[in-house]
Amino acid sequence: KAGVTQTPRYLIKTRGQQVTLSCSPISGHRSVSWYQQTPGQGLQFLFEYFSETQRNKGNFPGRFSGRQFSNSRSEMNVSTLELGDSALYLCASKKNGGTQYFGPGTRLLVL
Amino acid sequence: QQQVKQSPQSLIVQKGGIPIINCAYENTAFDYFPWYQQFPGKGPALLIAIRPDVSEKKEGRFTISFNKSAKQFSLHIMDSQPGDSATYFCAASKPQGGSEKLVFGKGTKLTVNP
Repeated sequence: KAGVTQTPRYLIKTRGQQVTLSCSPISGHRSVSWYQQTPGQGLQFLFEYFSETQRNKGNFPGRFSGRQFSNSRSEMNVSTLELGDSALYLCASKKNGGTQYFGPGTRLLVL
Repeated sequence: QQQVKQSPQSLIVQKGGIPIINCAYENTAFDYFPWYQQFPGKGPALLIAIRPDVSEKKEGRFTISFNKSAKQFSLHIMDSQPGDSATYFCAASKPQGGSEKLVFGKGTKLTVNP
């Protein structure tokens, strides 16, 4: 069974730009969560989507947004990038009530 | 506000040793406590998890000990191997109707020397 896939794996942007990251969940998983991982703050929950609806969110500014498509694939968008947005962005998928399985992440560098 | 505190930040043991990583939580509504292992360049992978109705759970060489009254839980790795060298994260979540918002500790970098 294929795992969670994330694209792209690496990304370099400049301040003020916006970025879109993509996540394809494990087949059959309808829940997709996004996390930000930085050396200083560790792993922090961004939001979760289930059946194309956001059903949980963390404490991030509105510049961070996401969506989920009917095939459960998800995208997250960060607008007006700041230097502090440099991080590893992780996507995790699960069946409802099941265990979260993480993808390898997208490493974003903001210059 | 850090809801899950993890210690130590780093740990070095010899092959065959038993590293112990500790976590403490604040929110008594948490009811699910997983441990994740992360290798460089990879996403976290679930190792083992426990719910508060049991005090200990073993899976292979990995054991979680859980103390509900102290709001603490720990990971023990028996007969550690160099391949166990990784960063370990504890986490916690509370029931939210099928949703799972994991709150993570800051991580422990484990090095197992041959």
